[in-house]
Amino acid sequence: KQEVTQIPAALSVPEGENLVLNCSFTDSAIYNLQWFRQDPGKGLTSLLLIQSSQREQTSGRLNASLDKSSGRSTLYIAASQPGDSATYLCAVEGGGTSYGKLTFGQGTILTVHP
Amino acid sequence: EAGVTQSPTHLIKTRGQQATLRCSPISGHTSVYWYQQALGLGLQFLLWYDEGEERNRGNFPPRFSGRQFPNYSSELNVNALELEDSALYLCASSPRKPNNQPQHFGDGTRLSIL
Repeated sequence: KQEVTQIPAALSVPEGENLVLNCSFTDSAIYNLQWFRQDPGKGLTSLLLIQSSQREQTSGRLNASLDKSSGRSTLYIAASQPGDSATYLCAVEGGGTSYGKLTFGQGTILTVHP
Repeated sequence: EAGVTQSPTHLIKTRGQQATLRCSPISGHTSVYWYQQALGLGLQFLLWYDEGEERNRGNFPPRFSGRQFPNYSSELNVNALELEDSALYLCASSPRKPNNQPQHFGDGTRLSIL
């Protein structure tokens, strides 16, 4: 059974800092890995998707890496801003009987203060 | 382009009643996914529909069921409601599989059981 863990559970940083969020998963037979953000009371916004054959993806100030063999992914946020404050969720889509199903971590609550 | 839309926004029911939640996917998307986000339990996969068929199911009892209509919209039905069914129910959509496209989420329906 796939399990996804995110560290840290919460992070508070001053504006302008570069930061790293960590995600680990127990079964390396994944189809892809996705990073989302969730604002309070809202749905999820897709940030980045990394296919199992890829090593990293970039979008603006965000960079996500994937090391499938070790079961790890990191989300790097450059020059953080107060608007980045949200819960960040990592999710993996498996193959076989887990195809189409996203397994989520518990999330990292990020607060960026001015 | 309209995103994933869910209705109602909020739903209040009592124990033993039935609840029906609705979801309209992004235009052109044929796959619809349902997730439950209960306090303290994180996001849990419920169901995946594509082309009107149930393709995968999470570890939930049979009283959680749904369907997908010819226009690809979907309903989630929860029978014999229990207090622990109180949660945010999120719907997501994606293009027809196989694909490596992210799932796009709506803002959810908050179901409260009294």
